[in-house]
Amino acid sequence: SQQGEEDPQALSIQEGENATMNCSYKTSINNLQWYRQNSGRGLVHLILIRSNEREKHSGRLRVTLDTSKKSSSLLITASRAADTASYFCATDAANAGGTSYGKLTFGQGTILTVHP
Amino acid sequence: SAVISQKPSRDICQRGTSLTIQCQVDSQVTMMFWYRQQPGQSLTLIATANQGSEATYESGFVIDKFPISRPNLTFSTLTVSNMSPEDSSIYLCSALSNRWQYFNEQFFGPGTRLTVL
Repeated sequence: SQQGEEDPQALSIQEGENATMNCSYKTSINNLQWYRQNSGRGLVHLILIRSNEREKHSGRLRVTLDTSKKSSSLLITASRAADTASYFCATDAANAGGTSYGKLTFGQGTILTVHP
Repeated sequence: SAVISQKPSRDICQRGTSLTIQCQVDSQVTMMFWYRQQPGQSLTLIATANQGSEATYESGFVIDKFPISRPNLTFSTLTVSNMSPEDSSIYLCSALSNRWQYFNEQFFGPGTRLTVL
């Protein structure tokens, strides 16, 4: 099964700076989703980008997808201390017809620390 | 989106016992899943909970160890059987629905933190 990989594993920045996290995967996808997890709690859904999309925005979040390189990035602009969390990418593989299986494969995550 | 709740939120159990985790969604959903997150690790899919039929398990997970039920479109349970300390993890359920604005968006419950002594 494909395994997403994220880098960096940990990122430490000051409030107001931008944070960029990258995700790579191995097989064809229907979509890729980004999640945030605070201190081992449940996952908060941030954004979904479909395989035919290249960029998507939501508030201070910007996600890009490059299916030729099998990679995605999450940019958080003007970071805040409250953004401190673990961030995961998750890929939803596509079957032969391009339809989603609905089963997510998660990357290892990036631990983001934003210092006030 | 939907509101997904899980019970219990955490538990400490003795080895050899079993724990059943409940997952409730506030609206009918197309698919429900169970994931495990071992300490300091990412999430791994355990199984797809199928409504009215046996769950579909991923490689490395078996029904005898993780029996799953889904009696209707809003509720599912996961049992962790004959527990050992290696089962200490966060267990999360998730759901997606073709009735939501963006199909394929998968939402998660708050998780159940299990510690096995």
